[in-house]
Amino acid sequence: EDQVTQSPEALRLQEGESSSLNCSYTVSGLRGLFWYRQDPGKGPEFLFTLYSAGEEKEKERLKATLTKKESFLHITAPKPEDSATYLCAVQAFSPGGTSYGKLTFGQGTILTVHP
Amino acid sequence: DADVTQTPRNRITKTGKRIMLECSQTKGHDRMYWYRQDPGLGLRLIYYSFDVKDINKGEISDGYSVSRQAQAKFSLSLESAIPNQTALYFCATSVSRGLAGGLHNEQFFGPGTRLTVL
Repeated sequence: EDQVTQSPEALRLQEGESSSLNCSYTVSGLRGLFWYRQDPGKGPEFLFTLYSAGEEKEKERLKATLTKKESFLHITAPKPEDSATYLCAVQAFSPGGTSYGKLTFGQGTILTVHP
Repeated sequence: DADVTQTPRNRITKTGKRIMLECSQTKGHDRMYWYRQDPGLGLRLIYYSFDVKDINKGEISDGYSVSRQAQAKFSLSLESAIPNQTALYFCATSVSRGLAGGLHNEQFFGPGTRLTVL
């Protein structure tokens, strides 16, 4: 069974204080690891997809990295508008090497950035 | 205009009532999904559909049914609502692309429906 664990559950930062969010996963065969941002009362917003260990992707103050066991979402010099819940999800290959698109989500990290 | 829309956005109902949540998309995607989100449990897949004739159960389908009326429309029904179905419900879409077309398979979510069953 695919599993995703995110830590910490909640993170409070001062504006400008860089930090990282962790996503640990176990999956039979990783097709992709996804990061989403979710604001209160809204649906998750897609941020990144990572496919293989060593891959990195950046968007503004966010940088996602991937190893064979975990992914990190690095936040550099965060601003209050970065406050949100960050969700990690994995997609596995089903037997036979295909994929039916099922995502297994972690519980998320609630990030609060104080001015 | 939103690419994925859900109606209603909020609904309060009573135990035993039949409820339908609707999802429409203008992204032209072939795949559609229904998830529920509960505090501490994250997002869990209820049903997914790869096209109008292909509907599959997710990990928590008991008590739910779905209908794919068209490529752009995917409805979720609670035949007889119960209080533990109180949750946030999200519809999502994605486009299927084979390896030749790249591995892009990200899902795009609607704004959600907050359902309360009393």
